[in-house]
Parts: sequence; C-alpha cells; structure tokens
Amino acid sequence: DAKTTQPTSMDCAEGRAANLPCNHSTISGNEYVYWYRQIHSQGPQYIIHGLKNNETNEMASLIITEDRKSSTLILPHATLRDTAVYYCIVRVPGGSQGNLIFGKGTKLSVKP
Amino acid sequence: GAVVSQHPSWVICKSGTSVKIECRSLDFQATTMFWYRQFPKQSLMLMATSNEGSKATYEQGVEKDKFLINHASLTLSTLTVTSAHPEDSSFYICSAALAGTPGETQYFGPGTRLLVL
Repeated sequence: DAKTTQPTSMDCAEGRAANLPCNHSTISGNEYVYWYRQIHSQGPQYIIHGLKNNETNEMASLIITEDRKSSTLILPHATLRDTAVYYCIVRVPGGSQGNLIFGKGTKLSVKP
Repeated sequence: GAVVSQHPSWVICKSGTSVKIECRSLDFQATTMFWYRQFPKQSLMLMATSNEGSKATYEQGVEKDKFLINHASLTLSTLTVTSAHPEDSSFYICSAALAGTPGETQYFGPGTRLLVL
C-alpha cells in the first residue's frame, strides 16, 4: 500500500506556480521522498527526491517540513505540458524495501 | 542522461503466442531493473525486480512461468509474456536503478502497449 496521501486532482493556470502537497505522516528516518509524473500514455518521469533538506533542480523544488510528515512539490511556472499525474512516493533506497509503490497520485491540469 | 528505452513501443499478437519486450539503459549501468504493468485508469503495479545475472524476484500474484524475465547484462533486461491471452493486454513499463547515486533513483522507459487478440 502507498504510504502517502495526495489530493485526487488540482488545477493550475498556465504561467503560475503549481504547488502539489503530499502527506507522509508515517515516514521513517531512512525513507526518501520521491516525486514522479506520468504524462498520458508515457512511462513515469523522475522529477526530484529528498531526504530532509529542501531540494531544487531544473524541473521543480521540493519542500519537506521539518518533521518530514509532509512535503510540497513546486513547479514554479507551470506550462500546458506539465499536465500529468504526479506521484509522491516514500522509499528506502535499495533492496526490496526500495521498490516504488505507486498510489493514485494527483492529476494536475494546467489550463490556459 | 539516465535514458531508458523499450522495444517495441506497441505490439499486437494473437492469443497463445509469446511476446518479448526489451528494456535497455542507454547511458548508464543499472544494477537493478524493474518491470511494471498498468491497466487503463489504474496506477502502476510492480511485477518483478531483476538483478543482472540472477533470478528475478516476482511480486505476489505474478506468475513467474508466464512472465519470463532475463537480465543478461547491466544494460539489458527482457520480459517475455508466454502464451499471451487477452487479459494480458496492458501497458508494460520497465525502469532501471542508477547504482551508486544517493537514493538510487529509478528511471523509466516509455512503455510497451500490448494488445492480445
């Protein structure tokens, strides 16, 4: 079972920041938070991951709360091509515990 | 970097035939490769995990004799759906784990859509 809770869907206006929340209240100390997205009929795309510090890359920023029980993925300037299902996953890297368990994710619709 | 390819991208076959799907990590060596299946309007379900040179580990409910996995090298894994039936029609996606990196991120292929008639 997925260890995360995400809203089923969200809308965002093109050019605005998209803030996608994720609750992972039972996260353990050695579990990372990963974000992937899946555009319709494609394989999932890796976005970003973090352990406890906030992270930023060319795609997005990941803000993790101090108690690590929740996080937010931020797409700073959403475009129509960012419309996808976004998955928040917690896992321990490597071994059988490191398997990615996909929940239902958040369907983000970016509108013009 | 970290590109994973799959071949074919889609395949149509008759019931009872076998279908082989290839997964390649193009610009990195993957210690572990994973196979997932996704039915329409559902999320990805892990089928099996494979390490180069060893037998695959299958998830509960996945028949190992039906879904044969061969992980021949650090850049190639194959999934063979044997004696395919219409209920095997699905979107099959592989991923490869980038060894030695913090978090051992998995990178996914584009998927193979299988239709069994």
